[in-house]
Amino acid sequence: KQEVTQIPAALSVPEGENLVLNCSFTDSAIYNLQWFRQDPGKGLTSLLLIQSSQREQTSGRLNASLDKSSGRSTLYIAASQPGDSATYLCAVPTNTGNQFYFGTGTSLTVIP
Amino acid sequence: KAGVTQTPRYLIKTRGQQVTLSCSPISGHRSVSWYQQTPGQGLQFLFEYFSETQRNKGNFPGRFSGRQFSNSRSEMNVSTLELGDSALYLCASSLGTDNTEAFFGQGTRLTVV
Repeated sequence: KQEVTQIPAALSVPEGENLVLNCSFTDSAIYNLQWFRQDPGKGLTSLLLIQSSQREQTSGRLNASLDKSSGRSTLYIAASQPGDSATYLCAVPTNTGNQFYFGTGTSLTVIP
Repeated sequence: KAGVTQTPRYLIKTRGQQVTLSCSPISGHRSVSWYQQTPGQGLQFLFEYFSETQRNKGNFPGRFSGRQFSNSRSEMNVSTLELGDSALYLCASSLGTDNTEAFFGQGTRLTVV
């Protein structure tokens, strides 16, 4: 069974700082990996989807990388803003269907 | 383009009652998955429906059931509610071909008293 771990569990940074969130998974035979953002009490917002054939994916100030062989993905957030404060989750799908294994998330607080 | 719509947003039910939650996927999406999110357990997979058929099922008791209609809308039902069923229930919509991007609704917050 796939296990997904996210480190750190919580992170607090001053506004403007660049930061990296980490995600690791035990089974490297994945098709893709997806990063989500969740605000308190709300649903998940898709940030980036990286296919297994890709090494990086970028959207605005966000950059996600994927290293299948080592079972790792990182989400890089440049020039952080208070509005980036949320919980960030990574997820990998099973090989059949659209069932996801989720990490436990990193709770990010950006201090103005 | 409308996103994933879940109704209702909030529910309060009494132990022993049953509840039905609804999810309307993005137009053209044929796969709907359901997840339960609690502070202690995180996000746990309930089941996935594709073209009106259950394709995957998580490790939940039989009190949790679901179905999907021909227009891809899905419902999940929880019977004989327990206090531990209090959670945020999220549904995810995707095209349905394996391993495509998933989009989530805002969730239904169920409180069992």
